[in-house]
Amino acid sequence: QKEVEQDPGPLSVPEGAIVSLNCTYSNSAFQYFMWYRQYSRKGPELLMYTYSSGNKEDGRFTAQVDKSSKYISLFIRDSQPSDSATYLCAMSAIDSKLTFGKGITLSVRP
Amino acid sequence: DAGITQSPRHKVTETGTPVTLRCHQTENHRYMYWYRQDPGHGLRLIHYSYGVKDTDKGEVSDGYSVSRSKTEDFLLTLESATSSQTSVYFCAIRSGSGNQPQHFGDGTRLSIL
Repeated sequence: QKEVEQDPGPLSVPEGAIVSLNCTYSNSAFQYFMWYRQYSRKGPELLMYTYSSGNKEDGRFTAQVDKSSKYISLFIRDSQPSDSATYLCAMSAIDSKLTFGKGITLSVRP
Repeated sequence: DAGITQSPRHKVTETGTPVTLRCHQTENHRYMYWYRQDPGHGLRLIHYSYGVKDTDKGEVSDGYSVSRSKTEDFLLTLESATSSQTSVYFCAIRSGSGNQPQHFGDGTRLSIL
């Protein structure tokens, strides 16, 4: 079993939809959870950074962590065409070495 | 912008030639990382540095070496490039204070023919 599993996609939604992106993991030592957004031919850009279980909201984005189920989610409200990108989940234990999901490509149709 | 510059941005070279990629940061961060990104594999750690002259191996270090002689520069070298090292290479940096996240450069596209 891979340490981090992410829905492979791709995912296509109409503008204005609510998007849910998910990752599961197996390593119970993970305690820092991140979502990165990557546009084509660019580097990953940090979108959300959370520690331990709970929710964190930033504008249209909400990150959710459920450590008991080893499950993290990113919700995008009122999705826009500019949200079209690849989304990567990443997590680390106390050593700060990141383990990434493989990424999911999101397309938001106008 | 995270203050990271990777060079070159694109490179095409032949099997067996040495290749060096450079990562330069202006943030004075302690930690620097080299990753490769391949379809079906996601981002994988090659090597990282936790200070000047302090480096360690990552998940996919075979065939790669690194050096860090200054805080701001982290070099990745392919001593004798192989076609399997064709990839997009990303550098990342992280502050040493607390558990800060990593920030990435825009990558180097390397093709080995």
